[in-house]
Amino acid sequence: DTAVSQTPKYLVTQMGNDKSIKCEQNLGHDTMYWYKQDSKKFLKIMFSYNNKELIINETVPNRFSPKSPDKAHLNLHINSLELGDSAVYFCASSQDQGLGLYEQYFGPGTRLTVT
Amino acid sequence: SQKIEQNSEALNIQEGKTATLTCNYTNYSPAYLQWYRQDPGRGPVFLLLIRENEKEKRKERLKVTFDTTLKQSLFHITASQPADSATYLCALSNAGKSTFGDGTTLTVKP
Repeated sequence: DTAVSQTPKYLVTQMGNDKSIKCEQNLGHDTMYWYKQDSKKFLKIMFSYNNKELIINETVPNRFSPKSPDKAHLNLHINSLELGDSAVYFCASSQDQGLGLYEQYFGPGTRLTVT
Repeated sequence: SQKIEQNSEALNIQEGKTATLTCNYTNYSPAYLQWYRQDPGRGPVFLLLIRENEKEKRKERLKVTFDTTLKQSLFHITASQPADSATYLCALSNAGKSTFGDGTTLTVKP
């Protein structure tokens, strides 16, 4: 009965590789997000999608490309991984971003380590 | 630029006391403010949301205040328990975008 799930939970890879993180929510929410939490625990928004449409695209290197095949899924693909990409990536969803009135439900996170 | 500051990185209190966490912000006009709890190795969990036109919100042992003049929110946990030990994040939201503070780690000692 997991509300927001992410795979994989851990990802260890070498610099220069390309990797993807998958996210699925079964809450029927319209909006999904990707956040990056660095070693200092600072949680920063990267992207948000509403009904498969990109709404927020923060200052993120274009090596990061989100893809939303349907409103229940939001995947994150990262090209040419760099050491600085090492962090925990969280997927989240909320009911209605347009009204901005609803809390966000977070996934368990994906710990990415780039060596 | 927008700035969100949460009081002291760590807060230690005795069981049974009231924990008060602070969230101050500048250069921001949030439509609402949220508080989340995050345990080690897990994603944040929503606790409370308060809108800009609300002064106070309560939920069981939790209370949040929001002062848009002072640009500050206070988060209180009354009758604290060791199980309340976690990192607490405030998030300011407007136009569908939430900006998080860097959190306060609360430790409640028995």
